[in-house]
Amino acid sequence: DGGITQSPKYLFRKEGQNVTLSCEQNLNHDAMYWYRQDPGQGLRLIYYSQIVNDFQKGDIAEGYSVSREKKESFPLTVTSAQKNPTAFYLCASSIDSGGGARLKLFFGEGSRLTVL
Amino acid sequence: QQQVKQSPQSLIVQKGGISIINCAYENTAFDYFPWYQQFPGKGPALLIAIRPDVSEKKEGRFTISFNKSAKQFSLHIMDSQPGDSATYFCAAISHTSGTYKYIFGTGTRLKVLA
Repeated sequence: DGGITQSPKYLFRKEGQNVTLSCEQNLNHDAMYWYRQDPGQGLRLIYYSQIVNDFQKGDIAEGYSVSREKKESFPLTVTSAQKNPTAFYLCASSIDSGGGARLKLFFGEGSRLTVL
Repeated sequence: QQQVKQSPQSLIVQKGGISIINCAYENTAFDYFPWYQQFPGKGPALLIAIRPDVSEKKEGRFTISFNKSAKQFSLHIMDSQPGDSATYFCAAISHTSGTYKYIFGTGTRLKVLA
């Protein structure tokens, strides 16, 4: 079945450590996204990539980094510079970044990061 | 800053009742308005979407009503069921400098009582 696979589902980190969240898709989508979800704040865009080897900062990119070396993969690194990293992280993809229905987002099941 | 304001934050409805979630926006450049449904511990999934040239769209028990002049849109869930208990996000897609971008509302946690 086609879809988005995120791993790990749960992750614990000590302060000062970098962690990398994995996101893989087999939908052959061009565009991929990382969102952060906090209670009462909806979904906030961290980074997005419209094509391989290219990515753009979203609204809350500080303290995060990404890479897009393959079409299928868009890993997110939460660095020690991120002040409040405890959150639920969602990876998504879309056919491309064109308008309307082509922007339908397909989400993974998320990764919950807790900083101890 | 572009925003989509969503209300209420939480909603409790009896089984068989109507659930209504409202959203308002300011940017007239938005050209697509999807709703996403998220069950606990899962990622959101597209539920239904509407274009601004349509005033209403219905899919089964779910209906979007769109008021372009008031810049408001709402989700109605008819005959609400316990299985509808989830968090619902409205969204609007903006087009800025050749790039399309989602703006999400803050979410509504719906609980349908059996």
